[in-house]
Amino acid sequence: GQNIDQPTEMTATEGAIVQINCTYQTSGFNGLFWYQQHAGEAPTFLSYNVLDGLEEKGRFSSFLSRSKGYSYLLLKELQMKDSAPYLCAVRASKTASNYQLIWGAGTKLIIKP
Amino acid sequence: GAVVSQHPSRVICKSGTSVKIECRSLDFQATTMFWYRQFPKQSLMLMATSNEGSKATYEQGVEKDKFLINHASLTLSTLTVTSAHPEDSSFYICSAQNRDRGTDTQYFGPGTRLTVL
Repeated sequence: GQNIDQPTEMTATEGAIVQINCTYQTSGFNGLFWYQQHAGEAPTFLSYNVLDGLEEKGRFSSFLSRSKGYSYLLLKELQMKDSAPYLCAVRASKTASNYQLIWGAGTKLIIKP
Repeated sequence: GAVVSQHPSRVICKSGTSVKIECRSLDFQATTMFWYRQFPKQSLMLMATSNEGSKATYEQGVEKDKFLINHASLTLSTLTVTSAHPEDSSFYICSAQNRDRGTDTQYFGPGTRLTVL
């Protein structure tokens, strides 16, 4: 079956660093996405990994290990506005030309002053 | 950047009526559009995938006759919730993708909150 696991909730301090983990088991793999989704809003794209390694984008970095079925999103210099749910999504293959995104339930990140 | 709009942003309707939600890609051609539903505090659930000019592919458990999807052009897809009932109340989100650009990133619309009384 298709399964994505990420912690339900995490708490961190403003200015600090936090790492949100995501593990997955899917039939086929064609990329992993991280999205931020504020309450009542659609998800906002943060990062995309398809090869092993670290992708850095400003304060946000995302890491992927395909052999381990594992990814993490690293947020540095945390700001209060970073408080939000973070969604991990894996693109799993359905056919050679068609695939779908499997979504994790999201990790609610709470930033404290 | 790639912008996707949805209309309406909020809709309240009576039970038994039909509601149409539009999803438009404003500055790119969307070869594929996805429709999601999200209940409070739950993850996004893919309802269907539609490619321009062809019939939508529905996920298991999603009623084709209840959730009508039309992807008539490369910039517009519509989702019609027919004979809506209170249990259909949810946050409906579309996303658009342009595979011809060599990127598979999905760009999300802002979502439509449907409340069925």
